[in-house]
Amino acid sequence: NAGVTQTPKFRILKIGQSMTLQCTQDMNHNYMYWYRQDPGMGLKLIYYSVGAGITDKGEVPNGYNVSRSTTEDFPLRLELAAPSQTSVYFCASSYWGQGVLEKLFFGSGTQLSVL
Amino acid sequence: GDSVTQMEGPVTLSEEAFLTINCTYTATGYPSLFWYVQYPGEGLQLLLKATKADDKGSNKGFEATYRKETTSFHLEKGSVQVSDSAVYFCALAPRGSARQLTFGSGTQLTVLP
Repeated sequence: NAGVTQTPKFRILKIGQSMTLQCTQDMNHNYMYWYRQDPGMGLKLIYYSVGAGITDKGEVPNGYNVSRSTTEDFPLRLELAAPSQTSVYFCASSYWGQGVLEKLFFGSGTQLSVL
Repeated sequence: GDSVTQMEGPVTLSEEAFLTINCTYTATGYPSLFWYVQYPGEGLQLLLKATKADDKGSNKGFEATYRKETTSFHLEKGSVQVSDSAVYFCALAPRGSARQLTFGSGTQLTVLP
């Protein structure tokens, strides 16, 4: 059982370049999330999805886009990369029980530097 | 809005010392409360959770009790090990809301042999 798989693990971009961070989960979870973690800070929600075809903005969505064409995959697209997007990105999926969040499962993260 | 405030780090302890990491929250209603742990180079993992007042979550020797009267969920361990060195995050989730999972800023713990 692989859980949540993110690729790549590391990436360096030049200002203005674009890229897609891949995320896939094999637990059949409906809910998926993208977070960013800046040094010494907690996690900030970028986008989330409650099922295939449904996405919504989180706390810090500017500069990012997402899509959710299948239950398994939730890619994050960066358009026109900026130095402010230098961060560690985590994808997560969740298991809910009776309207209560039971647990988030996290990928191992993507360390992105924009220079 | 909801918020989580946790103890500033870093925290450095000797092996077998007692650990407390403070966490307080602000939320409406009755959120679920969590502690997640992040080992170096890895994603976050659920350490323990509590879903209602006076519940005690426990795992791997760590404990935390949901205290509604003091809006707290402090993490404790009686005897830490070097392998406990990690970053610890307190978090809350309101009932029924996927969006509003809120994390604290994290507390770095280093345990020295």
